[in-house]
Amino acid sequence: DGGITQSPKYLFRKEGQNVTLSCEQNLNHDAMYWYRQDPGQGLRLIYYSQIVNDFQKGDIAEGYSVSREKKESFPLTVTSAQKNPTAFYLCASNSGRLADTQYFGPGTRLTVL
Amino acid sequence: SQQGEEDPQALSIQEGENATMNCSYKTSINNLQWYRQNSGRGLVHLILIRSNEREKHSGRLRVTLDTSKKSSSLLITASRAADTASYFCATGRGSNYKLTFGKGTLLTVNP
Repeated sequence: DGGITQSPKYLFRKEGQNVTLSCEQNLNHDAMYWYRQDPGQGLRLIYYSQIVNDFQKGDIAEGYSVSREKKESFPLTVTSAQKNPTAFYLCASNSGRLADTQYFGPGTRLTVL
Repeated sequence: SQQGEEDPQALSIQEGENATMNCSYKTSINNLQWYRQNSGRGLVHLILIRSNEREKHSGRLRVTLDTSKKSSSLLITASRAADTASYFCATGRGSNYKLTFGKGTLLTVNP
């Protein structure tokens, strides 16, 4: 997990609320990624950013939003439009070439009550 | 869409035995990577093999890649209880294409 932190580790949300998951890295990486992991589903890409102030939708971006105002930070907001947000969320970073080795944070488990 | 598919979905072995996991993919790739995930934790990169390589070693890990069959295998020799984890393959089609992860193999090593 070294170099990438995610907070909080556990997060509980009531239906209809927006929540923001934090991801910070001190690896001086240009690119950052958000994945969602459901049991038996593997990892699915939500959003990614290759440079500051720019980001791209992944495979399942609906109901999520991101910002990349600083190189070190890539927060993910799970909006009320996301119908099934209960999942394990993983943040990753790398040098900027999408297919290169990625370094992952410890994850945030979001539960909707 | 899922590019890599691991096989088997779950594997249970005794400590000291070797564990072999396979990954198949559909399109041509630039590289293939293996990651490990302990329960409830983030993924840890294990090894990357490029499309022009056939075999790589790292400690007790041996990865092979057969581009003609579009498949890769991960061998863990002399397994330990601490190797218990999920193992994922991820394929990279090129620098401008995102990694695509499989659903993983859950390895249980019994002491």
